[in-house]
Order: sequence, then C-alpha cells, then structure tokens
Amino acid sequence: GESVGLHLPTLSVQEGDNSIINCAYSNSASDYFIWYKQESGKGPQFIIDIRSNMDKRQGQRVTVLLNKTVKHLSLQIAATQPGDSAVYFCAENSDNYGQNFVFGPGTRLSVLP
Amino acid sequence: DTAVSQTPKYLVTQMGNDKSIKCEQNLGHDTMYWYKQDSKKFLKIMFSYNNKELIINETVPNRFSPKSPDKAHLNLHINSLELGDSAVYFCASSRGGASGELFFGEGSRLTVL
Repeated sequence: GESVGLHLPTLSVQEGDNSIINCAYSNSASDYFIWYKQESGKGPQFIIDIRSNMDKRQGQRVTVLLNKTVKHLSLQIAATQPGDSAVYFCAENSDNYGQNFVFGPGTRLSVLP
Repeated sequence: DTAVSQTPKYLVTQMGNDKSIKCEQNLGHDTMYWYKQDSKKFLKIMFSYNNKELIINETVPNRFSPKSPDKAHLNLHINSLELGDSAVYFCASSRGGASGELFFGEGSRLTVL
C-alpha cells in the first residue's frame, strides 16, 4: 500500500507484482517529463522520458503514462524485483532550453520478498 | 569511466567555515547544474550553467558561489557555512536543448556542526 505523511511517501509491493508510482506535476506548460530512480547513496538515474505530445511510452519493464488534463504522470514497473527498491522522482521541464527541471517530492518503493 | 564526478563525497565541517565541492563531467555536455537534496529527499535546483555562463540562479543565498572555469567543470564554493546548509549536493550535466536528460554525480554529503 501507499502512505503519505511527514516522511517520504512509501509504496510497498510484493516481488513479482506490478508497481504503480504516481506523480502530480505543477506546471500546465511543462512539455517534457522524466522519471528518475535514486538508489541509496547514489545520484538519480534516468529511467524513461515522455513528451507532452504522447500519453504513453514503454521501455523495458517500465511504462510511463501522461494525463495532461489532470497534470498526472505515472510510472508502471512490471514484475517488480528487489533491485527496483529505490526512491523514484518525476521531473518536469517547461523551458525551451531544457535546463530547469522541477522535481516532484519522490516516492520510496520497497519490494517485499 | 565516471561520467559526472564530484569531490569530496563526504564533508564534515564547523559552522562559519568556507568549503568547496568540485564537479567534472566527461560527457561533452554544454550544461551543468547544482542541485540540493534535503533530509526529506526533496531535490531543488540551485544553479545552471551553459557553456560557462550562468543561466539559472534560484533563490540561493549569495554565500553560495558557483564557478565554471570551462564547460566540463562546475565548482561550488560556500562561505560562512550554516547548520541549514547540511544536505547532499548533486552536480549534474545535460546536452541542454529541448530533450536533455540530466546525468547526476554520486553526490556530496555536507554536514555542518
């Protein structure tokens, strides 16, 4: 399940299940979005991106869905593995230079054995 | 070969001191950034440089001074350190333009006592 409070929101899933991580973005003018994965002690790493002219994009085991009407982005991870445990961030960009990415608050994904 | 490398990885210092964090990227990117990540994992942009020129300077105290000697390097100098400066600082780089994903370093954890 998912919990939100003073701490980082956490999503716990069983190994092998699918995970869905949600993100509400703030700027209706944003036209480029990225999901990042941050493992403990490391910097964020690119997972998948999507432009505003698309509503779905698939990668290897991951799918990003974009709903511009409600300014919502989701990341779906199929057959979640222990190595997927990390903090996941969505990032939005609205400037033409691609230089100012605004990050969401992050969600911690915990994969249970 | 580390794409974006920053040093030091850990920095513990007293309030009032001055410290620097160095960053180098070997990706040939034109744009470099400094992000600050607080204890709740919230990532916020501080500065962005494009070809050694300052592009973004968010509301950061002027105790923080970035310096870009060339487009492969972006250093961060902090004067008169305060307790609230304790955080993890991430350097990143990108191609810039409309679809430049960010490549992050491993982070520098600054602890001010």
